[in-house]
Amino acid sequence: QFQLVQSGAEVKKPGSSVRVSCKASGGAFGDYDISWVRQAPGQGLEWMGGIIPIFGPANYAQKFLGRVTITADESTSTAYMDLSSLTSEDTAVYYCARALLGGGYHSGHFDYWGQGTLVTVSA
Amino acid sequence: EIVLTQSPGTLSLSPGERATLSCRASQSVSSSYLAWYQQKPGQAPRLLIYGASSRATGIPDRFSGSGSGTDFTLTISRLDPEDFAVYYCQQYGSSPRYTFGQGTKLEIK
Repeated sequence: QFQLVQSGAEVKKPGSSVRVSCKASGGAFGDYDISWVRQAPGQGLEWMGGIIPIFGPANYAQKFLGRVTITADESTSTAYMDLSSLTSEDTAVYYCARALLGGGYHSGHFDYWGQGTLVTVSA
Repeated sequence: EIVLTQSPGTLSLSPGERATLSCRASQSVSSSYLAWYQQKPGQAPRLLIYGASSRATGIPDRFSGSGSGTDFTLTISRLDPEDFAVYYCQQYGSSPRYTFGQGTKLEIK
């Protein structure tokens, strides 16, 4: 059974950085496009960026360019999202999610999601 | 950037009724890359529909998706009490690779 398991909740000070991890199990990590999606309290879903580990560099939504870094460690099937220069507006639940790849095919949708990680930014 | 606009923002219906949710794109979206999700409070989103009209594994057949180009619809034929939640459409394409609609809240009347 495939799973994405994320790291635990974080409380951070304004101006600091946070790292959230997402470990995949039950499948071949290289077959996935792993994205990070956040949801501020009472708000909708916002795609931040994603990485296809076998292809290398991540790509990011314009809004987060320069502030977010997404990486993946194929040896541990773990993806990471680093967000810097935190403000109160970054208080949100952060999800990782998987889209399937294969033979030139990209599913274009997220069939598995992590459980979410609450990041609270407060002085 | 493709913008997805969902309507209505809130839909108030009773169990047993039919729900019709709309997702309109600012430019044409490939039907292969239009998906719908359901989200309940405190939970991660759950994939309902992909490729505009294909049900994901385990999704009841009362959920159906349709549409093409810029107009897509999620229909729930007979509402079950467990269907009251927030629904999001999502497209995959060029930069940014993924965008979501703002969501439709389906509430019990």
